[in-house]
Amino acid sequence: QVPLQESGPGLVKPSETLSLTCTVSGYSISSGYYWGWIRQPPGKGLEWIGSIYHSGSTYYNPSLKSRVTISVDTSKNQFSLKLTSVTAAETAVYYCARPAAAAPDAFDIWGQGTMVTVSS
Amino acid sequence: SYELTQPLSVSVALGQTARITCGGNNIGNKNVHWYQQKPGQAPVLVIYRDSNRPSGIPERFSGSNSGSTATLTISRAQAGDEADYYCQMWDSSIFVFGTGTKVTVL
Repeated sequence: QVPLQESGPGLVKPSETLSLTCTVSGYSISSGYYWGWIRQPPGKGLEWIGSIYHSGSTYYNPSLKSRVTISVDTSKNQFSLKLTSVTAAETAVYYCARPAAAAPDAFDIWGQGTMVTVSS
Repeated sequence: SYELTQPLSVSVALGQTARITCGGNNIGNKNVHWYQQKPGQAPVLVIYRDSNRPSGIPERFSGSNSGSTATLTISRAQAGDEADYYCQMWDSSIFVFGTGTKVTVL
C-alpha cells in the first residue's frame, strides 16, 4: 500500500485548470501535519506549491498564490490541488508529501509523483 | 524571497568524500534539510535539521550548518550515491528548495 498517491489528468490544455488529488493511506490526515504539494519540471529543480493542515489552514508559494487552491477532505483522507490558468511552463511532475514527525518543516514521505503535461 | 544556492555539480572519486554546499543569508540560523533524488524517483530525505539522519540513512551521510553555508557531506562515496541533491528550509511560512546539485561518482 503506497502511503501517498497522486491522481488526476495527465494532460491539461493551456489556460485551463490543473486538478490533482493526493490519497493518504496508513495515516489519518486529521492527526496533524501540514500536507504539501511540490512540483518539478523536466530536468529542473523542486518547487514548493503549497501546504494544508487538516483544519483547512493553508500556506501558498507567493509566486503562485493568486492561482492556487489546496483543499482537504478528511472523510476521504485526501487533499487536493487546483491550479488555474496553466501554461506550458507548468508541465511538471507533481508530488504530494507529508512532513516528517521529527521535523515538520521537512518532507519525509512523498508520493511517487504524477506527470502533468500542459499542451493543446 | 529567500534563495538557496547550490553548485550545479560535484564530482567525487569512488570511496572519497563529497561535500555539497547550500548558501543563503544567515542560513546558520535556520533548520536545513537535505534530499537525495535519483532519476525517475521521488526525493528521499537524507538529513533533517542540519545534521540528523532519518532511520535507514547510512552514517556516511552527515550535515552541518553555520554562518551563510550549510553542507552535506558524503563519506566513502559509493556508485549508488550518484544522484541530485537538494537543500531545503522553511522561512516565514514558505518552504524553499535549493537549486540542486548533481553528484557524479567517478
